[in-house]
Amino acid sequence: DIVLTQSPLSLPVTPGEPASISCRSTQSLLRSNGYNYLHWYLQKPGQSPQLLIYMGSNRASGVPDRFSGSGSGTDFTLKISRVEAEDVGVYYCMQSLLTHPHTFGQGTKLEIK
Amino acid sequence: EVQLVESGGVVVRPGGSLRLSCAASGVSFDVHTMHWVRQVPGEGLEWVSLIDWSGTYIDYADSVKGRFTVSRDNSKNSLYLQMNSLRTEDTALYYCALEENGALAYWGQGTLVTVSS
Repeated sequence: DIVLTQSPLSLPVTPGEPASISCRSTQSLLRSNGYNYLHWYLQKPGQSPQLLIYMGSNRASGVPDRFSGSGSGTDFTLKISRVEAEDVGVYYCMQSLLTHPHTFGQGTKLEIK
Repeated sequence: EVQLVESGGVVVRPGGSLRLSCAASGVSFDVHTMHWVRQVPGEGLEWVSLIDWSGTYIDYADSVKGRFTVSRDNSKNSLYLQMNSLRTEDTALYYCALEENGALAYWGQGTLVTVSS
């Protein structure tokens, strides 16, 4: 199985400051079509997960442009340019390169200082 | 607006069976691969199963293979998960999710399955 390792696991951030979460994979998520099969989700307290970034760097519909995804192969980063109070929750990366199984990172809990 | 609504979660005894349903609306259900993902309250996300648009390609996590069966009825815009031989470790909130661009683009609100004697 592909293992995704996120860091940090806990991320206290002052509103207005930037934040960054890393996701490292045990094997390359870059397919021959040029796409990285790595996606980012945010699960706000008491809610279902919501898609933020797909294929490594594409913002999902309705996602604010303060969120960005980068990286390729085995190393990926989710960046928030200026954290807002509504960004609190747990962030997960997920790979879909191998369907068996799809795997998630452990999650990174972002909290406001 | 895409909506996914799960139902069927209840308290069941170990060894029991249960069928979860997921009703989709606001989307062309019959062209999308669908997934089940579960989450023990307070813990992370675990992928459970997927079924492609036609029901031809199906896959399961090793933890549920041989016990769970995923199916769909495109005429009813519905996804199902038949869960047999349930174990206490199957206790979780079960989400259905619709795949788009390789990602799980839309999620339901989840239905809680509790396996307890």
